[in-house]
Amino acid sequence: GAGVSQSPSNKVTEKGKDVELRCDPISGHTALYWYRQSLGQGLEFLIYFQGNSAPDKSGLPSDRFSAERTGGSVSTLTIQRTQQEDSAVYLCASSPPGLTDTQYFGPGTRLTVL
Amino acid sequence: AQSVTQLDSHVSVSEGTPVLLRCNYSSSYSPSLFWYVQHPNKGLQLLLKYTSAATLVKGINGFEAEFKKSETSFHLTKPSAHMSDAAEYFCVDGSGGSNYKLTFGKGTLLTVNP
Repeated sequence: GAGVSQSPSNKVTEKGKDVELRCDPISGHTALYWYRQSLGQGLEFLIYFQGNSAPDKSGLPSDRFSAERTGGSVSTLTIQRTQQEDSAVYLCASSPPGLTDTQYFGPGTRLTVL
Repeated sequence: AQSVTQLDSHVSVSEGTPVLLRCNYSSSYSPSLFWYVQHPNKGLQLLLKYTSAATLVKGINGFEAEFKKSETSFHLTKPSAHMSDAAEYFCVDGSGGSNYKLTFGKGTLLTVNP
């Protein structure tokens, strides 16, 4: 079946611009996660959505970062007023019900802030 | 808080020789450990998962890992490397109190020489 999909695959933007990154989880998966993978920092947890519960936003690095999940499916990660240090690969993952430690990852969006 | 240490940032082997990628964990919880693989420009793929049912875990593509509590280790092995195994490998701890916040090691880049 279809895996987690993310768009765009690459995004180049100028410092100060806003960007939106999209994630389509695997159908039927109730949990969705965003991670950031950057050189020197490895993989960092950003945010976790589970059904209709309030998301765990504890990993978001600043208030310039926000995420939504509409209808329990598609999610959008928004970065406002991008900075060069935001350059990274942003990975989305999803999990089936009851298996939040088993996460299936998308191919990621490579963000470059000039 | 749990942490994961991958002891080698880069491992180079010849095709047909054994692979050993080392990982130590420090979770204070009963560990839930994983190995993920990331091929260039691809998403993370789950190789195998340890959940205390058996200390030797078999994964995809001929990989396996052995959980050794006395050594707090979860090393990944494969008897015979193939060129297609060249990728980055991540040891992951999913046993934090939240269960869904995965803690990633820094990664080990595996190079396979012909």
